[in-house]
Amino acid sequence: QEQLVESGGGVVQSGGSLRLSCAASGFSLTTHGMHWVRQAPGKGLEWVAFTHYNGVNKYFVESVKGRFTISRDISKNTLYLQMSSLRIEDTAVYYCAKDSSVGSYELHSWGQGTLVTVSS
Amino acid sequence: QSALTQPASVSGSPGQSITISCTGTSSDVGGYNYVSWYQQRPGEAPKLMISDVSRRPSGVSNRFSGSKSDNTASLTISGLQAEDEADYYCCSYAGTESGWMFGGGTKLTVL
Repeated sequence: QEQLVESGGGVVQSGGSLRLSCAASGFSLTTHGMHWVRQAPGKGLEWVAFTHYNGVNKYFVESVKGRFTISRDISKNTLYLQMSSLRIEDTAVYYCAKDSSVGSYELHSWGQGTLVTVSS
Repeated sequence: QSALTQPASVSGSPGQSITISCTGTSSDVGGYNYVSWYQQRPGEAPKLMISDVSRRPSGVSNRFSGSKSDNTASLTISGLQAEDEADYYCCSYAGTESGWMFGGGTKLTVL
């Protein structure tokens, strides 16, 4: 059974850093593309980042380019989102999601999310 | 990168059909057949309802259907049920420079 479990959220001061983790089970990160999506309190979904199954091709929303990085530890089957220079507007629940198969473009399965609060 | 445009809210009575639109540009919705739709109930993670404009994942009711014309995609829910009350988001691939983008979301109320 496929499962995604996010962790690492918390309260951090503006300008600080935080690393989110997404532990995957029931499938391998080497055969699936992975996304990070966030949702500010009371707001809609915003796509943040994606890494191809090969771990080489990576894409980011403009507002986080140069501040966030996406990576994987294959040995732990875990996806990461390293966030730095955090801003108040980065406050959100962060979800990780997987695609359904190589070359697919939908966000097929989602974790339960982890809350990041950036304080001033 | 502007979000795709969805109506803020729609409503319908049980048994009726409703359609939610999602308008983008030729760089996203109109440029790729990679529009997906997600249902999100309060306090829950989003759930994939439609992929690739009109493909229904296993386990999703056939009351949900998707379509696209030019730069506008649509989600239709027929035979509305109380359990369909939720927020619905469209999402489109927009190329390697822009990645993916979501619509602002539509709150569906079942009267």
